[in-house]
Amino acid sequence: DIQMTQSPPSLSASLGDKVTITCQASQNINKYIAWYQQKPGKAPRLLIRYTSTLESGTPSRFSGSGSGRDYSFSISNVESEDIASYYCLQYVNLPYTFGAGTKLELK
Amino acid sequence: EIQLQESGPGLVKPSQSLSLTCSVTGYTITSGYDWSWIRKFPGNKMEWMGYISYSGSTNYNPSLKSRISITRDTSKNQFFLQLNSVTTEDTATYYCARSRLFDYWGQGVMVTVSS
Repeated sequence: DIQMTQSPPSLSASLGDKVTITCQASQNINKYIAWYQQKPGKAPRLLIRYTSTLESGTPSRFSGSGSGRDYSFSISNVESEDIASYYCLQYVNLPYTFGAGTKLELK
Repeated sequence: EIQLQESGPGLVKPSQSLSLTCSVTGYTITSGYDWSWIRKFPGNKMEWMGYISYSGSTNYNPSLKSRISITRDTSKNQFFLQLNSVTTEDTATYYCARSRLFDYWGQGVMVTVSS
């Protein structure tokens, strides 16, 4: 199985800050990484696919980058509605595997 | 609008089987995509459990070995999860989702394994 090491486990940010989350895969995943947002009591929402392709409806303040084993996800100008947990997913190989998640909180 | 909705018992006894249904509206499950079950544990770890494809083939997470079965009823546009010999470690929120990108999700159903 491909292990996805996501960091940090939690983030504290002020409104307007830029925050970055990273995921490192245990092997090359050829950019097949997606990022999800999950709010309490809700299903995860797909934000970004294939490293950097924003889903319809994903605000442009969200972005993704990376290659090989190392990937990052950023939110510029954090807004109150961005307070949530974020997960990465590799979907290049079965079994698909998630990162452990990052909880974004307001400072 | 594509919608998925999980249903099933919220409490299962250890050693018994967990059975959940995912009802899909707005898209026919035989038209395309894989249809997955995913669970989120109390510690927030998420695990892909397996899928049934639009053609009916299945693929399971090896971690679940021979305990898991995913089937479907195409006449009702539903697919199902059965997880056998459950333990307290199977306590989680269970989600169904579409495609390997999980672009559409159900709202989730919390299942507790307890005597």
